[in-house]
Amino acid sequence: QVHLQQSGPGLVKPSQTLSLTCDISGDSVSRNSAAWNWIRQSPSRGLEWLGRTYYRSKWYNDYEVSVKSRIIINPDTSKNQFSLQLNSVTPEDTAVYYCVRERITAAGARFDSWGQGILVTVSS
Amino acid sequence: AIQLTQSPSSLSASVGDRVTITCRASQGISSALAWFQQKPGQPPKLLIYDASSLESGVPSRFSGGGSGTDFTLTISSLQPEDVATFYCQQFNSYPPTFGPGTKVDIK
Repeated sequence: QVHLQQSGPGLVKPSQTLSLTCDISGDSVSRNSAAWNWIRQSPSRGLEWLGRTYYRSKWYNDYEVSVKSRIIINPDTSKNQFSLQLNSVTPEDTAVYYCVRERITAAGARFDSWGQGILVTVSS
Repeated sequence: AIQLTQSPSSLSASVGDRVTITCRASQGISSALAWFQQKPGQPPKLLIYDASSLESGVPSRFSGGGSGTDFTLTISSLQPEDVATFYCQQFNSYPPTFGPGTKVDIK
């Protein structure tokens, strides 16, 4: 049974960097049949996919176009975790942030395991 | 990006009622659609994937159908614990996108 545990600050100042970490237990960040995603949720934007990292003989990343210039998602195999870094934040980045496992099987891909969520507020 | 719309945006039904929520995609997505249930203060929970496959551990009163652009989530007999917001999500093309949600409560 996979468990995703998120950590990071709940308050970030405008123009600074939002940093969150997701610890994985019960699975491996390097598993070939999974990808590791960040999704956020706000009343104004709903559920919004931000990006993912995954291993297929080497590491890959995909990012949502609207944040592509500001986002980095990194795996850490030594700690079996992955992280989100979102630079130059504005109040529009205020949201609940989730780390999510994307499980990939013959039946297709699905977001089957979610972290507990962290409310990140961007405010001075 | 593929846009998803849901109807209705909210509904109120009695315990034991059959409830159906619709999700429509802006272009064909084959069967690459999932349904989630979200209760206040919790992350979304996967109910259905590949349009009609029931996720392990999810009660059999939940079912999904459809393909192409039109999809449904049906609760065959609404229970008090089903009060939540339900979202559809497509995986046919990147980026994955979500519908705006349908809020279900008990009359």
